[in-house]
Amino acid sequence: GAVVSQHPSWVICKSGTSVKIECRSLDFQATTMFWYRQFPKQSLMLMATSNEGSKATYEQGVEKDKFLINHASLTLSTLTVTSAHPEDSSFYICSAVGGHFSWSPLHFGNGTRLTVT
Amino acid sequence: AQKITQTQPGMFVQEKEAVTLDCTYDTSDPSYGLFWYKQPSSGEMIFLIYQGSYDQQNATEGRYSLNFQKARKSANLVISASQLGDSAMYFCAMRELTGTASKLTFGTGTRLQVTL
Repeated sequence: GAVVSQHPSWVICKSGTSVKIECRSLDFQATTMFWYRQFPKQSLMLMATSNEGSKATYEQGVEKDKFLINHASLTLSTLTVTSAHPEDSSFYICSAVGGHFSWSPLHFGNGTRLTVT
Repeated sequence: AQKITQTQPGMFVQEKEAVTLDCTYDTSDPSYGLFWYKQPSSGEMIFLIYQGSYDQQNATEGRYSLNFQKARKSANLVISASQLGDSAMYFCAMRELTGTASKLTFGTGTRLQVTL
């Protein structure tokens, strides 16, 4: 089945630094990747949608200059949290879908738990 | 308006019993897909079952079945013969054909606790 790998699984950083999270599709070409954020005891909220080779589409209220998304290849998308602050501490999880639109389920990475001190 | 509504923040069920997790949705799109995911405490999202809006039969996957009532816009998940390992958060989600890139919209989730 489709496998999505996300790295790192957890990271602690100091306030003001930047953190990069990678999302890779291991056995399929991901034309579209989605980045979600989940605060404790809450649901997954979509942050942005990235298509290979084009700019990401951000959801309303998500700062595109703070959360930089790069989808440079069909197997890799990265999310960079720039100048991180404690309020950015959250669980970030990516998902990917390949090919043309279909009803196949999105496959998720295992998530990255970010703690900003 | 909420696109996906899960009204049960928490549910308890005894081992080996069946449990139903509620989900209602709101869309004007005739073509859509409904999904259920399980999220254990470790955080990963595990796909459980899918129902398409045009599917005539209710979806089943092992111990999971989806009670799809299109007119009521509900897509309840039924877990039969509950096991201790079923304790987790369960999210109902919907993808619509229109809009950008068929994104997945999640409900607020239901925390299921299976007891002995």
